[in-house]
Amino acid sequence: DAMVIQNPRYQVTQFGKPVTLSCSQTLNHNVMYWYQQKSSQAPKLLFHYYDKDFNNEADTPDNFQSRRPNTSFCFLDIRSPGLGDAAMYLCATSRELRGALSYEQYFGPGTRLTVT
Amino acid sequence: EDQVTQSPEALRLQEGESSSLNCSYTVSGLRGLFWYRQDPGKGPEFLFTLYSAGEEKEKERLKATLTKKESFLHITAPKPEDSATYLCAVQATGGFKTIFGAGTRLFVKA
Repeated sequence: DAMVIQNPRYQVTQFGKPVTLSCSQTLNHNVMYWYQQKSSQAPKLLFHYYDKDFNNEADTPDNFQSRRPNTSFCFLDIRSPGLGDAAMYLCATSRELRGALSYEQYFGPGTRLTVT
Repeated sequence: EDQVTQSPEALRLQEGESSSLNCSYTVSGLRGLFWYRQDPGKGPEFLFTLYSAGEEKEKERLKATLTKKESFLHITAPKPEDSATYLCAVQATGGFKTIFGAGTRLFVKA
């Protein structure tokens, strides 16, 4: 089945120790998104890629970076995690054309990040 | 500023007791409004997309409707397996930024 896969499902890191979360997709979608979701809160968009074009949200901390080496893979790098970065990180994909109707996003299962 | 507000925060129903969830939105131009279901510890699962006022979509016990300012998710004769958090999201014209509401946590008791 076509899907969005996130690894690892659970990640524990130490305060200030860099961490990388990964996302892969078999849907061949051109747009990939990274969201941060804290307990009982709305998913908050951090950034997205339209093909290779990177779009950073204005309020995404500089501590968060992303890479998309090819269509299938996308990575979220947290350079110096703080206690406030503990959250569920969700990867999503969609197929989009600029100026066309918006299409639904397909989400991975998420990575639960704990910072100690 | 684009914004999405969902109400109520939580809703407790008896099995078979129909109700509606509300999503109020403010957006410069609506490109699409989405409803997702999220189970604990999992990623959101797509339910519906609505594009213009007056549009309605149905799937099993769920029906989504859209006006110029809000959307409703109607749940008819819910079952315990409908218990989940229901998220509303909007995309504005001109880009792909997606804004989610905080969700309504639905509990259906047998």
